[in-house]
Formats: sequence, structure tokens, C-alpha cells
Amino acid sequence: QITLKESGPTLVKPTQTLTLTCSFSGFSLTTSGVGVGWLRQPPGKAPEWLALIYWDDDERYRPSLKDRLTITKDISKNQVILTMTNMDPADTATYYCAHRQYDYESDTGGAFDVWGQGTMVTVSS
Amino acid sequence: DIMLTQSPDSLAVSLGERASIKCKSSQSVLYDSNNKNYLAWYQQKPGQPPKLLIYWASTRESGVPDRFSGSGSGTDFTLTISSLQAEDVAVYYCQQYYGTVRTFGGGTRVEIK
Repeated sequence: QITLKESGPTLVKPTQTLTLTCSFSGFSLTTSGVGVGWLRQPPGKAPEWLALIYWDDDERYRPSLKDRLTITKDISKNQVILTMTNMDPADTATYYCAHRQYDYESDTGGAFDVWGQGTMVTVSS
Repeated sequence: DIMLTQSPDSLAVSLGERASIKCKSSQSVLYDSNNKNYLAWYQQKPGQPPKLLIYWASTRESGVPDRFSGSGSGTDFTLTISSLQAEDVAVYYCQQYYGTVRTFGGGTRVEIK
């Protein structure tokens, strides 16, 4: 059974750096095809994809936020970490990590099939 | 980025009746080499994360009731709830994973009439 759980600060000040940790179980980020993504959802709005990291260390970022985001993985701890610099009140949202499906038959990535419960981050002075 | 436009923004349906939600993509999400549509549907209830219902446009996720179905190809997709139940009240999102930037539709709120 795949589970993911986000942790990190609930309140950050403008211009600060946010660091979020996704702790997961039920899969390994060393297995071919595996990916973990970060997404966020401002109150009352649709989710927005931020970043993805893959088993082979490939990293993908939302272009509009690429300069502010870094995604890393700690295999020994089964964790994926997201840092976002220069936080702004517009970054206030619930942040989720999610497991990305992989279709081994077609050798192609898929949707986000398991999500963490999310962690609400407020940016305010 | 690929834009997804959902319609309607909200709909109210009587219990037991059919609900249909449309999702239109700004470009095709059909990958010719494997004939797969890179489109998913999610259900989100208040205070919960999105839950995957449908992937590859029409494949139901394990454990999802068969009253939920997905159809369409290329740029036009539909999520259908064949017989609405009280527990189906939620916001539904489509999402494409064809493009480098994964994008979501704006959401459709489904309520009981």
C-alpha cells in the first residue's frame, strides 16, 4: 500500500525559503519508472503541478517557478524534499506530494494515483 | 502549456440521475505511438486531497465504482456519473500529463438537486 505524508512549516514570512518534506512508503524511488511530484492548491482553486523527481534523478519543474524550486530525494529515508525560495503571499496554498503512476506495459508515465493529505502553508508577515 | 477548459462550472443533478462533465484541451493529448490519451479525472471532497478516478481517459482506477466512466479522445473528453449518489458530491478536475507542464482544468462542482 502506497502512502505519502507531507510535513513542514504552516507559516512562513515573505522572502523566506520554504522547505517541505514528503515521507513515503510502499514503493522505492530506486525502482525504474517511479516518480514523486509536488503540487499545490490555493484555497478555492484548482491544483497546480510544481515539480517531479524520478528514479533516475531526472527533475522537472514548472517553468514559471523553475528559478525558485528545487526537488531532491533521500533514498535512505524514503523522502522527497521541495524547497521554494522567496516566498510570497500568493504562494499561500495546500501543498501536496503525490506518487506518479507508471505504465510498464507501454513504458510511459501516467497520472498521480496516490496523494498525501497535504499541508497548508500560509505566507504572511 | 496545454490549457484544459471544463464545463459546466457547476451542476446540480437529482439522485439517481446522470451527470456529465466536459473537458476540452487546447491541443491533442493523444500520443500517436501508443494510442493513449494522457488525461485523468480526479474527485475532490472538502478537506481531502484529489482522488484519482480515471486515467488514460477511460481506465477506471481500482476501487472506483463503475458508475464513473470516462470517454473521449484527442481534445474532447467527458466524465460521466451514470447514477448520482449522495457521496458523489464533490469537485471534479481533469488533468493532462501529455505536456511537460502537467495542467488541470478549473474544476466542476457537482451538487444534489
